[in-house]
Amino acid sequence: DAKTTQPNSMESNEEEPVHLPCNHSTISGTDYIHWYRQLPSQGPEYVIHGLTSNVNNRMASLAIAEDRKSSTLILHRATLRDAAVYYCILYYTGNQFYFGTGTSLTVIP
Amino acid sequence: NAGVTQTPKFRILKIGQSMTLQCTQDMNHNYMYWYRQDPGMGLKLIYYSVGAGITDKGEVPNGYNVSRSTTEDFPLRLELAAPSQTSVYFCASSYSFQGSSYEQYFGPGTRLTVT
Repeated sequence: DAKTTQPNSMESNEEEPVHLPCNHSTISGTDYIHWYRQLPSQGPEYVIHGLTSNVNNRMASLAIAEDRKSSTLILHRATLRDAAVYYCILYYTGNQFYFGTGTSLTVIP
Repeated sequence: NAGVTQTPKFRILKIGQSMTLQCTQDMNHNYMYWYRQDPGMGLKLIYYSVGAGITDKGEVPNGYNVSRSTTEDFPLRLELAAPSQTSVYFCASSYSFQGSSYEQYFGPGTRLTVT
């Protein structure tokens, strides 16, 4: 199983950018990097994914290191609704998702 | 689209009882998954299916059974409930094609307590 390492918790002030790091030193060439988040008492929600190039969508940006051994999820302006557990997952079609324990993000008003 | 729906939302079982957790998706996804989440932990995969009639074990399959007779439905069966199966259960679905990667859509979860 492909493993990722994330900090247990992070804090951010409201309306400031947040950079959530993820290390995945054993990533293989076919692994996609997925990010999901889980709000309290809800199921996980897809945020973004990428393979090699940086990716942007309406929720966030994903910055992938050139050697692909780490990535960073960027929330451009944190809001109180972004308080959640964020999971970084390596995935290849046909393999299994391993969620880990994620990073618990606290947003301070 | 309703997305992924799960029933029931809550259930209390006595030790040794059986039950089926229902999961339905209306997005015509070929892949479906069952996860469990214990308090303070991440999700662990129980079983998954890559299409009707095809299922495979995940990380924690013991004590559970699944079947997939249609694209839409993927029920999870607990035969002899044990306290260790107290957890929140999430069903998910996704479209997958060889070499590609698509997001998983999750249901709202079923909170199960075994006493």
